[in-house]
Amino acid sequence: AQSVTQPDIHITVSEGASLELRCNYSYGATPYLFWYVQSPGQGLQLLLKYFSGDTLVQGIKGFEAEFKRSQSSFNLRKPSVHWSDAAEYFCAVTNQAGTALIFGKGTTLSVSS
Amino acid sequence: DVKVTQSSRYLVKRTGEKVFLECVQDMDHENMFWYRQDPGLGLRLIYFSYDVKMKEKGDIPEGYSVSREKKERFSLILESASTNQTSMYLCASKISGTDYGYTFGSGTRLTVV
Repeated sequence: AQSVTQPDIHITVSEGASLELRCNYSYGATPYLFWYVQSPGQGLQLLLKYFSGDTLVQGIKGFEAEFKRSQSSFNLRKPSVHWSDAAEYFCAVTNQAGTALIFGKGTTLSVSS
Repeated sequence: DVKVTQSSRYLVKRTGEKVFLECVQDMDHENMFWYRQDPGLGLRLIYFSYDVKMKEKGDIPEGYSVSREKKERFSLILESASTNQTSMYLCASKISGTDYGYTFGSGTRLTVV
């Protein structure tokens, strides 16, 4: 069965520093991969998605992610973190039937000044 | 702006009560979803619906049922609420046949006492 692993439960980054959030997936074929962000009290907002083609995808708010098939990874990156990036981040993959999203357990990002 | 609206932001119910969580979307989407979000567990799929009166069980359907009588509305029903159903519930919708464009509501935080 498909699964998504986010190894880091909580990460703290200094404002202005770079960020990388890890995501590993288990999937039999080429997956459709997503990163979502959830600010406190809010619903989920799509940051970016990967379906095929260029393995480096650009998203909103200055985020990017790189699909690495050999490592079964889809890590999220940002070169310079802003205090407003503090939120919970979820990696997700489409299930094998293509009918719904399977989510990781999330990584909480804190930004220190 | 497209929207998924969950009728209640916060709910407090008693053990054994029948609870209805309502979700309405204004995007004419065929597919609708109910997820449950718990700290450390991420989002888990309860039920989804791919069309009016059609429903499929997700990963954790026990203790829940759903109703979709109209395209725009998808209701989650807790037949007899229990304390272990205290959680954040998120509704989502998307266009059928696509793997992108999921739109999430802001969530309903349900407390069962």
